Amino acid sequence: AQSVSQHNHHVILSEAASLELGCNYSYGGTVNLFWYVQYPGQHLQLLLKYFSGDPLVKGIKGFEAEFIKSKFSFNLRKPSVQWSDTAEYFCAANTGFQKLVFGTGTRLLVSP
Amino acid sequence: EAQVTQNPRYLITVTGKKLTVTCSQNMNHEYMSWYRQDPGLGLRQIYYSMNVEVTDKGDVPEGYKVSRKEKRNFPLILESPSPNQTSLYFCASTDTGANVLTFGAGSRLTVL
Repeated sequence: AQSVSQHNHHVILSEAASLELGCNYSYGGTVNLFWYVQYPGQHLQLLLKYFSGDPLVKGIKGFEAEFIKSKFSFNLRKPSVQWSDTAEYFCAANTGFQKLVFGTGTRLLVSP
Repeated sequence: EAQVTQNPRYLITVTGKKLTVTCSQNMNHEYMSWYRQDPGLGLRQIYYSMNVEVTDKGDVPEGYKVSRKEKRNFPLILESPSPNQTSLYFCASTDTGANVLTFGAGSRLTVL
């Protein structure tokens, strides 16, 4: 079955530290990839997406992700995190919009 | 403002008492979907709808019903709620060409 794995369930960083959150998917063929963020008490918002083209995707708030097809990965990165990045981050994938599958999420806590 | 509106945002009910969570979008989106979010499990799709009168099961449809009589509305119905349906529920929609979900603010349901 198609699945998305996020191996880091909880991450704690100090402000200005670099961030990398892992995401692996199990789809074969063409896949669309997403990172969503959920700030405390809020709904999910799209951080960035990859459909095709340049495998290095830039999103909002300084986030970026790299699609590595050979590794079935779509890791999220940010060079320097801020306290306001404290949130839960979800990787998601689909091959068509009706079947978006989410990972289990990574809770990021950034300490000032 | 383009948005997905869910009601109620918070609800405490008792086992067996039928309830409906409403979802409405003002973006003329064809596709709508319901997810439930549980700790450690991420978001799992309950039902989705490709258009009016077209609905299909997601990954965890048991105990839920939906209907899509109008394009803008996609209510989630719990005919006989049970405690294992205590969860945070999100409605989402997208234009079939865009493939990026817009989420509602969430409905936190507790079944005693």
